[in-house]
Amino acid sequence: RKEVEQDPGPFNVPEGATVAFNCTYSNSASQSFFWYRQDCRKEPKLLMSVYSSGNEDGRFTAQLNRASQYISLLIRDSKLSDSATYLCVVNVEGGSTLGRLYFGRGTQLTVWP
Amino acid sequence: DAGITQSPRHKVTETGTPVTLRCHQTENHRYMYWYRQDPGHGLRLIHYSYGVKDTDKGEVSDGYSVSRSKTEDFLLTLESATSSQTSVYFCAISDGLNEQFFGPGTRLTVL
Repeated sequence: RKEVEQDPGPFNVPEGATVAFNCTYSNSASQSFFWYRQDCRKEPKLLMSVYSSGNEDGRFTAQLNRASQYISLLIRDSKLSDSATYLCVVNVEGGSTLGRLYFGRGTQLTVWP
Repeated sequence: DAGITQSPRHKVTETGTPVTLRCHQTENHRYMYWYRQDPGHGLRLIHYSYGVKDTDKGEVSDGYSVSRSKTEDFLLTLESATSSQTSVYFCAISDGLNEQFFGPGTRLTVL
């Protein structure tokens, strides 16, 4: 079983739409959670960290449910520039993992005009 | 943007030849990582380093070796390249506070 599972999409939405991505992780000892964004043929870049209480950054809201081992990302008022692949990332600390990050395969989003 | 560069950015080579990819950072971060990214697999960790001369294997380390003789440089070597190693290779760095910053990537094609 993979450490991090994501719906690969693709999600195709019109400008202004609200879209939600979900992610599940398998290791209950996971300590840190992130969403990265990757544009076509570019490197991944941190979009936002995910905190237990949930956090918001402009149009983006991230939620964490530790009991269900579930992470979500909500994008409101989608822009054309939001088109990218969104990677769910989990850090399992401790033991021999030394804080390795585990990446989901990514969810592809296309926003159309 | 974090100061990470990778070289070369593109390389085409033949099966059986050795290949070395270089990652260079100017952030003085302790941790450095090599990933490969393939369709359907996402990012997979090859090797990582937690200090000069301190390295460890990731989940897909077979066929790869690494070296880190200086804080700023982390080298990935394919001793004898195979077609299955055709991929995009990303280097990443971290100061240990979990967030990783990625380099621009190297596109490697093994014919």
